[in-house]
Amino acid sequence: QKEVEQNSGPLSVPEGAIASLNCTYSDRGSQSFFWYRQYSGKSPELIMFIYSNGDKEDGRFTAQLNKASQYVSLLIRDSQPSDSATYLCAALSGTYKYIFGTGTRLKVLA
Amino acid sequence: EAGVVQSPRYKIIEKKQPVAFWCNPISGHNTLYWYRQNLGQGPELLIRYENEEAVDDSQLPKDRFSAERLKGVDSTLKIQPAELGDSAVYLCASSLGLMGQKNEKLFFGSGTQLSVL
Repeated sequence: QKEVEQNSGPLSVPEGAIASLNCTYSDRGSQSFFWYRQYSGKSPELIMFIYSNGDKEDGRFTAQLNKASQYVSLLIRDSQPSDSATYLCAALSGTYKYIFGTGTRLKVLA
Repeated sequence: EAGVVQSPRYKIIEKKQPVAFWCNPISGHNTLYWYRQNLGQGPELLIRYENEEAVDDSQLPKDRFSAERLKGVDSTLKIQPAELGDSAVYLCASSLGLMGQKNEKLFFGSGTQLSVL
């Protein structure tokens, strides 16, 4: 079992819709979770991080964390074609090791 | 402020040849990471430095890979000899290195795309 799991996609949503990206993790000692966006041929860039149970909102992005279910999600409201990218979920373990998932490819259709 | 700088951007070599990648982290960032990313996969950690000390190199194939971070700033990752399976993007990242902080964010360089023929 991979330590951080994501559906590879592609996830296709129409422009203006809500895109929901999900991630599960196996290490209960993981303390923080990060979402990185990676455009094709580019390096990952940080979108959001969360370490408390519940929701955290930043503009069109909302990160959700449920530690009991070991589940993290990223919601993108009013999706735009420019949001089309691969979204990487990462967990920061108790030993300060970053573990990345394989990423979910998002396609926003105009 | 400059971000994480990597060079070269692309490298094409024949198998069994040596290759080296260079990284300059963001100024003031104590922690430096080398990741390898295969197509369609997430980044996988090769080595992590806290200042000049390699604190996690458990994933580094030590028979052919080596890394150094002299003076706790720039770092070099070397492969000798390269194999076909080493073709990947090699990413350098840095963070402030605030151990104990839950919001320790990674900043990535542009990566080096290595093709071994």
